[in-house]
Amino acid sequence: AQSVTQLDSQVPVFEEAPVELRCNYSSSVSVYLFWYVQYPNQGLQLLLKYLSGSTLVKGINGFEAEFNKSQTSFHLRKPSVHISDTAEYFCAVTNDYKLSFGAGTTVTVRA
Amino acid sequence: DVKVTQSSRYLVKRTGEKVFLECVQDMDHENMFWYRQDPGLGLRLIYFSYDVKMKEKGDIPEGYSVSREKKERFSLILESASTNQTSMYLCASLSQGTNYGYTFGSGTRLTVV
Repeated sequence: AQSVTQLDSQVPVFEEAPVELRCNYSSSVSVYLFWYVQYPNQGLQLLLKYLSGSTLVKGINGFEAEFNKSQTSFHLRKPSVHISDTAEYFCAVTNDYKLSFGAGTTVTVRA
Repeated sequence: DVKVTQSSRYLVKRTGEKVFLECVQDMDHENMFWYRQDPGLGLRLIYFSYDVKMKEKGDIPEGYSVSREKKERFSLILESASTNQTSMYLCASLSQGTNYGYTFGSGTRLTVV
């Protein structure tokens, strides 16, 4: 089974500032990678995914992530955050249908 | 779009009760999953099913069982609910092929008292 580490549990950030959420995984085989967002009292929403091809993946709401195979990382970035980006973000990985999640990163955007 | 429906948004049950959480998907997917979500732990896989009547344990199956009698429905069963099973439970369905991805239900928040 894979393991996923989200290096920051809490990320406070000011509105219009950039944000990076870090995700590392452990797997010796090819994987599929995902980032999900969960707004307060809501379900999981897919932000973006990497299945193959270009290592720079663009998602919804201005988010993007870069797959780095040598560093087994899949960091999420947004160049300018809004108050509405306040949420919990989850990185997830699979190589065998079973999706393994990180513990989550709570992003709090302040004015 | 795939729709994954969990029958209850909130449930309160007593210790020792048998609890059924229901999940239905509308896209004829073979693979379905049950996760529980706890603060600081992310989502952990309880069980998954890869076809009707086929199931496999996930990372934390103790205290749970599952049932998949029809392709569209995947049920999670708490045989004798305990307070440490108070959690958010999320069901998911997997779409394979070119649009590979997981769709999650909106979750059932279970409180065991």
